[in-house]
Amino acid sequence: AQKVTQAQTEISVVEKEDVTLDCVYETRDTTYYLFWYKQPPSGELVFLIRRNSFDEQNEISGRYSWNFQKSTSSFNFTITASQVVDSAVYFCALLPYNYGQNFVFGPGTRLSVLP
Amino acid sequence: DGGITQSPKYLFRKEGQNVTLSCEQNLNHDAMYWYRQDPGQGLRLIYYSQIVNDFQKGDIAEGYSVSREKKESFPLTVTSAQKNPTAFYLCASSIEAGGTYEQYFGPGTRLTVT
Repeated sequence: AQKVTQAQTEISVVEKEDVTLDCVYETRDTTYYLFWYKQPPSGELVFLIRRNSFDEQNEISGRYSWNFQKSTSSFNFTITASQVVDSAVYFCALLPYNYGQNFVFGPGTRLSVLP
Repeated sequence: DGGITQSPKYLFRKEGQNVTLSCEQNLNHDAMYWYRQDPGQGLRLIYYSQIVNDFQKGDIAEGYSVSREKKESFPLTVTSAQKNPTAFYLCASSIEAGGTYEQYFGPGTRLTVT
C-alpha cells in the first residue's frame, strides 16, 4: 500500500520559533520520490522540494530544511525562525516510481504563525 | 508569464446540472492532472493525461469526465452523476509524461452545488 501520514493536523507557533512538520510514508517500492508543497490561503499549491529515495542527504534552503530518513520512512520539514507568511497548509507527497503518475498526498498540516 | 490558469475561481450550480471547469497551461508540459480537495483532506486524483487525446482515471473518476484535445487544455466536467460535487478542484501539470517531476498547480476552482 502507498500511504502518507501527517500526524499533526494543526500547529500554532509564535513568530521566530522553529517548527517541524512530520511526514511518514509507506511504500513497497525501492525507488520513489518525496515532495513537500505549501498551500497558502489563496489555494494554489506551491512546490517546495523533490527528493528521490536514493538521496538521503538533508537539504537546506534558506529558513527551510528537510530531514529524510529511510530507516524510519520519514521526510520531515523544519522552518527556522518562522514568519507570519509561513502560515499555510503544508502537504507531503509520495510518488512511487512504478505507480504511474499517481502522487499520494498526505492530509496536510495547517501551520499558523502568530505575530 | 508561464503558468496554469483555472477559471472561474468560484462556481455555483444547481444539483442535476453538468458543469465544466477550465484548465489551461502555457508551460509546454506534457502531463496534466485534476485533483479534488475536501476540507481536512489531502488531494485525491480524479483524472490525468500524459499526452494529447489520451487520459487515465485516477482514484475517484466516477461522475467526472475529461478531454485533452490540445496540449495546453484539460477541461474537467463534473456530471450530475457525481454524488457530492461540492469541493475545491485543482489542476496541475508536469513537464514530462511518465516522469517523476514535480507538479505545478493552478489557483483552483471552488465549486458549490446546491
